[in-house]
Amino acid sequence: EADIYQTPRYLVIGTGKKITLECSQTMGHDKMYWYQQDPGMELHLIHYSYGVNSTEKGDLSSESTVSRIRTEHFPLTLESARPSHTSQYLCASSGFKGQGAEAFFGQGTRLTVV
Amino acid sequence: GESVGLHLPTLSVQEGDNSIINCAYSNSASDYFIWYKQESGKGPQFIIDIRSNMDKRQGQRVTVLLNKTVKHLSLQIAATQPGDSAVYFCAENPKGGGTYKYIFGTGTRLKVLA
Repeated sequence: EADIYQTPRYLVIGTGKKITLECSQTMGHDKMYWYQQDPGMELHLIHYSYGVNSTEKGDLSSESTVSRIRTEHFPLTLESARPSHTSQYLCASSGFKGQGAEAFFGQGTRLTVV
Repeated sequence: GESVGLHLPTLSVQEGDNSIINCAYSNSASDYFIWYKQESGKGPQFIIDIRSNMDKRQGQRVTVLLNKTVKHLSLQIAATQPGDSAVYFCAENPKGGGTYKYIFGTGTRLKVLA
């Protein structure tokens, strides 16, 4: 079992609300990632971080923002949720140090904006 | 929300038969590859990995083959069981440039027929 946790697992929220998806890992990993995945579709990288105070946008443009104030915590925020944000959001972390290491994934947050 | 991307191809296999799932990767500089299994409603789980200095690696009931000449990766599952039904993704990690991103392939849905 990977020690990476996402909350909430499911969220239904109204348009215009601000939301924060939580992601925490207890493995001491410096690399963390957010992926967006629609049902039955590919994973798309939307944000990543190489360490504290480091955040980068991924390959898929996203209106969400992230922060990395602590090593173990990598929250994702949507300032004003819209129906187009409805998707599954997956958080991952890695202890990659140049030789290659797998990313560990959380269970995901399924977001529905109504 | 609006979905962007490809719907996953499906491989149907009779229980007890061997399964072969294929993946074409994009970056000839990639030196580390991973296969993930994603069950419905869950995050991807690590199955097996392989480094570019190898062309074959075996795990429990699974084998990964790497052909760098044609940039092709395959996952073989022996004696496929109903619990193997899931979506399988390959991921590559491009070497160099200080990047630690994982690039995921399209994914294949494996259906095990009783």
